[in-house]
Amino acid sequence: QVQLQESGPGLVKPSETLSLTCTVSGGSVSSGSYYWSWIRQPPGKGLEWIGYIYYSGSTNYNPSLKSRVTISVDTSKNQFSLKLSSVTAADTAVYYCAREVVVAARFDYWGQGTLVTVSS
Amino acid sequence: SYELTQPPSVSVSPGQTARITCSGDALPKQYAYWYQQKPGQAPVLVIYKDSERPSGIPERFSGSSSGTTVTLTISGVQAEDEADYYCQSADSSGTYPHVVFGGGTKLTVL
Repeated sequence: QVQLQESGPGLVKPSETLSLTCTVSGGSVSSGSYYWSWIRQPPGKGLEWIGYIYYSGSTNYNPSLKSRVTISVDTSKNQFSLKLSSVTAADTAVYYCAREVVVAARFDYWGQGTLVTVSS
Repeated sequence: SYELTQPPSVSVSPGQTARITCSGDALPKQYAYWYQQKPGQAPVLVIYKDSERPSGIPERFSGSSSGTTVTLTISGVQAEDEADYYCQSADSSGTYPHVVFGGGTKLTVL
């Protein structure tokens, strides 16, 4: 059974960089069948796709966040990571990592999510 | 930017049929996916490729597509179906497709 687990600081100061890691078990980030994605959800609001990384290192980001987002992959640790720079209170959200099936564009496994609050 | 439009809320009584719509200009060309999200939990895929049901999802969940609108239908709604439902598709107008989510629909079981 595939499992994804987010980890990282729950509190980030404004203007700093948010950093999260997703650890994958029961599956491999080196598989060519999946994109490894980040999705967020502000409190009480809907889902927003942030972007994904492929095992090869190629990435695809939401245009509205592209200038601030970096997603990377560490195949040796079976992890992928998110960095979001210059954060503001509007970046406060539950951040989910998820597995997206290539070509099918569906998210079949999700992490439990981690709340990141941007506040001084 | 491309948007998917859902009604904010739908209410039904137990045993009735709930229909949740999602509208978007590219839906005739792109598949739609539906997720169920209960409070404090991660979303769960309930329909993929407009009308396919993943293993483990009850048969009362079904999906359909007509033109620029896709519909999630829950037949014989049960109390446990009360949740937020999100449609998802892709915006293929750029170099690479981008994932787009609808705003979500809160299903209330009266």
